[in-house]
Amino acid sequence: DTEVTQTPKHLVMGMTNKKSLKCEQHMGHRAMYWYKQKAKKPPELMFVYSYEKLSINESVPSRFSPECPNSSLLNLHLHALQPEDSALYLCASSQDRLAGDTQYFGPGTRLTVL
Amino acid sequence: KQEVTQIPAALSVPEGENLVLNCSFTDSAIYNLQWFRQDPGKGLTSLLLIQSSQREQTSGRLNASLDKSSGRSTLYIAASQPGDSATYLCAVRRGGADGLTFGKGTHLIIQP
Repeated sequence: DTEVTQTPKHLVMGMTNKKSLKCEQHMGHRAMYWYKQKAKKPPELMFVYSYEKLSINESVPSRFSPECPNSSLLNLHLHALQPEDSALYLCASSQDRLAGDTQYFGPGTRLTVL
Repeated sequence: KQEVTQIPAALSVPEGENLVLNCSFTDSAIYNLQWFRQDPGKGLTSLLLIQSSQREQTSGRLNASLDKSSGRSTLYIAASQPGDSATYLCAVRRGGADGLTFGKGTHLIIQP
């Protein structure tokens, strides 16, 4: 099973709302990632968790707050977002520390900020 | 800073043709390179991964090559089909737990 699941599929929120995106994998992977993809652009890395610890934060604004409660689950908490934060948010996972490990992506959450 | 470039940006060919998509990267110190396809509004599907020590990988009608020293990779698609229509993304990885740096993709249309 090489599946990464993400919920919800679609999310519409106002600028004062607080919401969370959820990502789950059951492949025993120890590295998990959040990417942001704007329309007609490539994905851009936001955060990397390795063994449940935040290892990379690509200078993402604090209105995005990641959390890794356990090795299978990754959350992205959203607060006071701006309309320009509307995008497809992709989660990925990989075995970590192995040159041959593939990153597997979920289907994404389509976020619209009003 | 690693930069990944994909040429062409868009390609439209008749069904049955063989085609080549190109990817180049500026920093040759990569861990591996991965090719993905993305259908409109969807997530990414991994097609092939080439480790930095490898020269090529094959899966079905797809063949990817890597010339790390010159910073180039190609994705060869044989006997193209309308179902191959998608955006193809090339991505490189710096280290074990690092994320991927993506090119802007090649938008491919296979005409029936």
